[in-house]
Amino acid sequence: QVQLQESGPGLVKPSETLYLTCVVSGYSISSGYYWDWVRQTPGRGLEWMGSVYHIGTTYYNPSLESRVTMSVDTSKNLFSLKLTSVTATDTAVYYCARKVAVTGRGDFDLWGQGTLVTVSS
Amino acid sequence: DIQMTQSPSTLSASVGDRVTVTCRASQSISSWLAWYQQKPGKAPKLLIYKASTLESGVPSRFSGSGSGTEFTLTISSLQPDDFATYYCQQYHTYYTFGQGTKLEIK
Repeated sequence: QVQLQESGPGLVKPSETLYLTCVVSGYSISSGYYWDWVRQTPGRGLEWMGSVYHIGTTYYNPSLESRVTMSVDTSKNLFSLKLTSVTATDTAVYYCARKVAVTGRGDFDLWGQGTLVTVSS
Repeated sequence: DIQMTQSPSTLSASVGDRVTVTCRASQSISSWLAWYQQKPGKAPKLLIYKASTLESGVPSRFSGSGSGTEFTLTISSLQPDDFATYYCQQYHTYYTFGQGTKLEIK
């Protein structure tokens, strides 16, 4: 059974950097799929942040591109999110998700449980 | 950006009802659309992809249709477990989600 599990601090100060990791169990990241981050707020709903492939290829939401970096560690079977210069508007539930990226697909078939990150001093 | 607009925002229905949720794209997305179900405190769950293909394990009372800019999610006979919020998502150009439709018990 494939599972994704986010981890990271629940509280980040304004202007600092948010780091999250997503550990994948039951499936090797190197075997395929894209690995993505999606966040959710009551005001903006679900927002795709970006994708990382096991060889390190990344794609980011243009609205976040200047602040987002994603990476993958195949030895630990995890992928990571870094978001710089956070503000209160980055307060959200952050989900890691597996994206099916073959012809005709671009949906997210597996999700982590989500982790709430609050930006506050 | 491709904007996704769902209607209605809230839908009240009873067990056994047939319900339909609509999702409109701001430009043509062919059939590159997925539907998700989300319950409070949980992650979204994939129901349908490529507008009408049912994800493995999803009950057949769920169905999707449409192409271009207008899409629908239909639940043929509502079950108690179906009361949740439903989202559409386009994957024609990057990835954007609708604002959600909350399905409530009447």
